[in-house]
Amino acid sequence: DIQMTQSPSSLSASVGDRVTITCQASQDISNYLNWYQQKPGKAPKLLIYDASNLETGVPSRFSGSGSGTDFTFTISSLQPEDIATYYCQQYDNLPLCTFGPGTKVDIK
Amino acid sequence: QVQLVQSGAEVKKPGSSVKVSCKASGGTFSSYTISWVRQAPGQGLEWMGRIIPILGIANYAQKFQGRVTITADKSTSTAYMELSSLRSEDTAVYYCARDYLTYRQKSSGWFRRFDYWGQGTLVTVSS
Repeated sequence: DIQMTQSPSSLSASVGDRVTITCQASQDISNYLNWYQQKPGKAPKLLIYDASNLETGVPSRFSGSGSGTDFTFTISSLQPEDIATYYCQQYDNLPLCTFGPGTKVDIK
Repeated sequence: QVQLVQSGAEVKKPGSSVKVSCKASGGTFSSYTISWVRQAPGQGLEWMGRIIPILGIANYAQKFQGRVTITADKSTSTAYMELSSLRSEDTAVYYCARDYLTYRQKSSGWFRRFDYWGQGTLVTVSS
């Protein structure tokens, strides 16, 4: 099974800060990786698909990069509404998929 | 615009079963895949399985094999997830999601994303 790790598990940053989250796969998954945002009590929301493509309607301050085993998710300028937990998801071995453990983002 | 509406919260006894529904509107139900994802209190997301309604084929995560059954009714555009032999650890919010698959010739690969989600159904297992 492909294991996903995320770091950090939580972070606190100021409004306007650049925030970076990393996701690492236990084996090469090409660019078969998505990023989701989940706010408390809500369903996850797709932000980035195929490692670097911005989902329609998602603000451009969100971005993703990487391939192989190492991936990065960035919020270029943190906004109060970005308070949430962020999950990566790999789907290299269809139809299976696994999510990372999540990164909780707070405002300092 | 695809919308997924799930059935309401359930309270179940250990050892019983629960069946959660997910009704789709917008788009063509039989042309896409529905996945089920659960989230225990304070925990992360866990994929359980998926169904391809047009084929009636379901695939399951190994952890849930033998305990979960995912079905779909094309006539009502509704997917179902039934989990049996419930235990307290199954207390969670269960989500359905459209599991969108697309083939890219340039990359020679299948790309996938969960682009629409239901609102979630809380299942509480308690004696």
